[in-house]
Amino acid sequence: DSGVTQTPKHLITATGQRVTLRCSPRSGDLSVYWYQQSLDQGLQFLIQYYNGEERAKGNILERFSAQQFPDLHSELNLSSLELGDSALYFCASSSLGQFNPGNTIYFGEGSWLTVV
Amino acid sequence: QKEVEQDPGPLSVPEGAIVSLNCTYSNSAFQYFMWYRQYSRKGPELLMYTYSSGNKEDGRFTAQVDKSSKYISLFIRDSQPSDSATYLCAMGLENDMRFGAGTRLTVKP
Repeated sequence: DSGVTQTPKHLITATGQRVTLRCSPRSGDLSVYWYQQSLDQGLQFLIQYYNGEERAKGNILERFSAQQFPDLHSELNLSSLELGDSALYFCASSSLGQFNPGNTIYFGEGSWLTVV
Repeated sequence: QKEVEQDPGPLSVPEGAIVSLNCTYSNSAFQYFMWYRQYSRKGPELLMYTYSSGNKEDGRFTAQVDKSSKYISLFIRDSQPSDSATYLCAMGLENDMRFGAGTRLTVKP
């Protein structure tokens, strides 16, 4: 158990809808990362928050947004969903804001999103 | 062309075999190189990382980086059924990390 908690574990929704994925980081970790994993694209970095502020942005679509709350949990909002958004969405956390291999990031078990 | 290329496999080997997993990359600016292991229905976990060309060993695992060829490898000696997982290479520059697509490995008893 990595200590990173993600909900829901599975979600099925229709095209055009909006969903919110939730992440609780490990106790004491200030950074939260969101990743998307699909069969054809592999693991793609979406966005990072550090202590409530956006720190880095990756391949995140404009239809997607995220935030980190004062209690450090984070939410990823996905709107106007398309079939191609079906993927496994991971949240990860780390103690530091600057990513480097020595600053281990811990992944949750992911949220499976299926858009039908 | 993707920045990081990794053969998705699947790769199936008998127990005890030496496994070689490989990635190539195109961005010569990458500073660090990592290997993650992902069991089914779990998030990735860091196996090894290195900053430099050459070999780094950790138990049965050896990570090899050749920056001149833009090629990295992970060798698993005496492979065990518990090594069955998807292995993802990752590499990056400061806060920008890129993952390979992952190679699914099955080690058969």
